Amino acid sequence: SQTIHQWPATLVQPVGSPLSLECTVEGTSNPNLYWYRQAAGRGLQLLFYSVGIGQISSEVPQNLSASRPQDRQFILSSKKLLLSDSGFYLCAWRGGRGDPAVNEQFFGPGTRLTVL
Amino acid sequence: AQSVTQLDSQVPVFEEAPVELRCNYSSSVSVYLFWYVQYPNQGLQLLLKYLSGSTLVKGINGFEAEFNKSQTSFHLRKPSVHISDTAEYFCAVSRTSGTYKYIFGTGTRLKVLA
Repeated sequence: SQTIHQWPATLVQPVGSPLSLECTVEGTSNPNLYWYRQAAGRGLQLLFYSVGIGQISSEVPQNLSASRPQDRQFILSSKKLLLSDSGFYLCAWRGGRGDPAVNEQFFGPGTRLTVL
Repeated sequence: AQSVTQLDSQVPVFEEAPVELRCNYSSSVSVYLFWYVQYPNQGLQLLLKYLSGSTLVKGINGFEAEFNKSQTSFHLRKPSVHISDTAEYFCAVSRTSGTYKYIFGTGTRLKVLA
């Protein structure tokens, strides 16, 4: 069966420090991968999505970036964190073309990021 | 472009009472519709989805939703709630082709009272 992992689970970072959040998926090949941010009291905002290795689409301009160095690995990064980067970050995957899970997204457990 | 509106930010309801969480969407193309539940500090879990076919969709934990194309709605219902249903519920839409990006509503916090 497929599983999705995110780490760390929680993170407290000072303003101006770098960031690296990792997401990995097991049990599937060539998934579509997504990064969302959930700010306090707000819905989920799509930040990035990827349809394949090295292919990243950005949904909103910001100081975050994403990379997909391997088929089932998706990384969210920042060179210098801002206070406004605080939030709950969720990674999700969707099956690729021909996969039975092509029509829905499956979410990881999330990373709670607090920027002080 | 698509958009999703969840009109109720919070819904308090007594245990064993029925509940309806409202979701309306806007789209110029065909969409898939989803309801997810989020417990505190956890990821999202799929409750149910509408892709095609019967407009009444049954999901996990006794929830169901009805797709109403004329009213562009996809309201979530449960005939009798439990304390354990206390959580945040998100409605989402995606296009039926392409990147299947989700557009989420802002969520409805369901609080079940004893």
